[in-house]
Amino acid sequence: EADIYQTPRYLVIGTGKKITLECSQTMGHDKMYWYQQDPGMELHLIHYSYGVNSTEKGDLSSESTVSRIRTEHFPLTLESARPSHTSQYLCASSETQGSSTEAFFGQGTRLTVV
Amino acid sequence: KNQVEQSPQSLIILEGKNCTLQCNYTVSPFSNLRWYKQDTGRGPVSLTIMTFSENTKSNGRYTATLDADTKQSSLHITASQLSDSASYICVVSDRGSTLGRLYFGRGTQLTVWP
Repeated sequence: EADIYQTPRYLVIGTGKKITLECSQTMGHDKMYWYQQDPGMELHLIHYSYGVNSTEKGDLSSESTVSRIRTEHFPLTLESARPSHTSQYLCASSETQGSSTEAFFGQGTRLTVV
Repeated sequence: KNQVEQSPQSLIILEGKNCTLQCNYTVSPFSNLRWYKQDTGRGPVSLTIMTFSENTKSNGRYTATLDADTKQSSLHITASQLSDSASYICVVSDRGSTLGRLYFGRGTQLTVWP
């Protein structure tokens, strides 16, 4: 298994609450990503980072925000959760060697907003 | 537009049988293609990587092929086992940016019955 960890694995929270999904990797990768995945659907990139103090929005518009203060840590925050935020959130990091890019994924956080 | 299309969307086979999953892509410029296996509720794990110059690569019972001219790849699973039940995702990486951008297919949901 890759050394990338997400917490919590499951979260049920009420509408309007602020939440932070944690993601940490111990591989020293500069690039990190957050993906959102609904059941049976493809992964959609919502945020990515090239390195410390670098964050960019991905393809899918998201009301969440991210920060990258340390290389190993890439938390995602929702200031006010809504039922439409219910989904699985996957964190990944990657390294590029030559022409090969491999992404390593965390186990995911399944978020339910009620 | 860079896209990755997979077929079939879902597949049910009996234990011990073989199957082939398809992936067509339009990502350009192409860097490499990976097949990932995603068990329910977990993050994707890389099975194989194919670069531009490779036609076939095997990893145990998994054999991936790549035709860079037609932009098609296949994943062949031999002697299927119950543990092969998962979603198989085709992921293509481009080399047009420093991000090594990843493009995901929707996946093929494989179910192996005893």
